[in-house]
Amino acid sequence: SSELTQDPAVSVALGQTVRITCQGDSLRSYYASWYQQKPGQAPVLVIYGKNNRPSGIPDRFSGSSSGNTASLTITGAQAEDEADYYCNSRDNSGNHVVFGGGTKLTVL
Amino acid sequence: QLQLQESGPGLVKASETLSLTCSVSGGSISSSTYYWGWIRQPPGKGLEWIGNTYSSGSTYYNPSLKSRVTISVDTSKNQLSLKLRSVTAADTAVYFCAREDVLRYFDGSWGSLLDYWGQGTLVTVSS
Repeated sequence: SSELTQDPAVSVALGQTVRITCQGDSLRSYYASWYQQKPGQAPVLVIYGKNNRPSGIPDRFSGSSSGNTASLTITGAQAEDEADYYCNSRDNSGNHVVFGGGTKLTVL
Repeated sequence: QLQLQESGPGLVKASETLSLTCSVSGGSISSSTYYWGWIRQPPGKGLEWIGNTYSSGSTYYNPSLKSRVTISVDTSKNQLSLKLRSVTAADTAVYFCAREDVLRYFDGSWGSLLDYWGQGTLVTVSS
């Protein structure tokens, strides 16, 4: 079982804003990173740190955190944002990588 | 541009050892600031961290797999390897290699980010 908890599925209307959350004790010490995974592809890092986007990631993706909860927000969701989203951090020992169970985002 | 490429048998018999290699190009696997690791994804399921290794030679494993896993680095070939012993059908998955950076921020918080991934390779365990 994941030490990071995500909602299994979320939907959003095209052009609207959606927030995907990730909860876990280790998030009190670690910023979550977020990954987008489309079918048959490797995950792609979209957000890391307090709110950092790797080169090439659209600015409609943003991150935030409060207490033991991290959030990924997509402002103005596009059809191409339909994908699975995973959060990750280290566990409380700092020695092991952990992933959330993933959230399937549907853009309506 | 850093690139990672997994390779190895796509079919392994139950009870045998799964062996995969991750070839790294465009950068050195000997870099002292990164972890290099393996993640897997069973069909239709989420990501599961298998383990990683650091330049110091330290290795860390998922406790649920620790008794069956060995991860190592061949710096002369710039390759990462994975061995998973005594496999069962539950080990059928797409296996990814990835580079992890662990950062300390000004506010004292940490961050773990896997910034480069291989494309993944499907390994099926047959009975």
